[in-house]
Amino acid sequence: DVKVTQSSRYLVKRTGEKVFLECVQDMDHENMFWYRQDPGLGLRLIYFSYDVKMKEKGDIPEGYSVSREKKERFSLILESASTNQTSMYLCASSSGGRGIIQPQHFGDGTRLSIL
Amino acid sequence: KQEVTQIPAALSVPEGENLVLNCSFTDSAIYNLQWFRQDPGKGLTSLLLIQSSQREQTSGRLNASLDKSSGRSTLYIAASQPGDSATYLCAVVRVRSGNTGKLIFGQGTTLQVKP
Repeated sequence: DVKVTQSSRYLVKRTGEKVFLECVQDMDHENMFWYRQDPGLGLRLIYFSYDVKMKEKGDIPEGYSVSREKKERFSLILESASTNQTSMYLCASSSGGRGIIQPQHFGDGTRLSIL
Repeated sequence: KQEVTQIPAALSVPEGENLVLNCSFTDSAIYNLQWFRQDPGKGLTSLLLIQSSQREQTSGRLNASLDKSSGRSTLYIAASQPGDSATYLCAVVRVRSGNTGKLIFGQGTTLQVKP
């Protein structure tokens, strides 16, 4: 079974802090994704990556950056956390690389609160 | 712009009942459609994926159908059980996503199965 692990289930940070959310997958997947999920807005794509050191913006990249130095790890960075970034963050991965559409497998999510 | 709609937003049924969840999408040019389950406070579990060339997929008590021309998919759950209580999400990958595999989600249907 595919295992996507997010480093924290719950996280509380303060406004202005730099926040790192980590995601690791153990299936050698090429593609990795970061979403946020908010009541009434559903899941929205922040960033994705289809290879090491490659990244592309999703629908709502403002205020976020990402890092993919190794194939199995995809980090989401909140450069200067703000209260409107309080949300549930979900990481996903899929095989095949760009151009090959395979099912996405999700982690358990990180519920982030910015005070 | 692709929009995905799920109706109803919430559904409550007695145990043992067969039920249908609905998903509609505005742009019929899709690669595939995926149904997910989300338990409270958890990530997403992939249930079924239907490729654009397929009409349906089955897994145990679950059957998902796809009618691309009308922009509709249904998830049929047979003999519902209290353990089926969760939020069910559908998501599509558009052909015009630039081969990124980007998922566009509906808002979900929250199902409660009463013993």
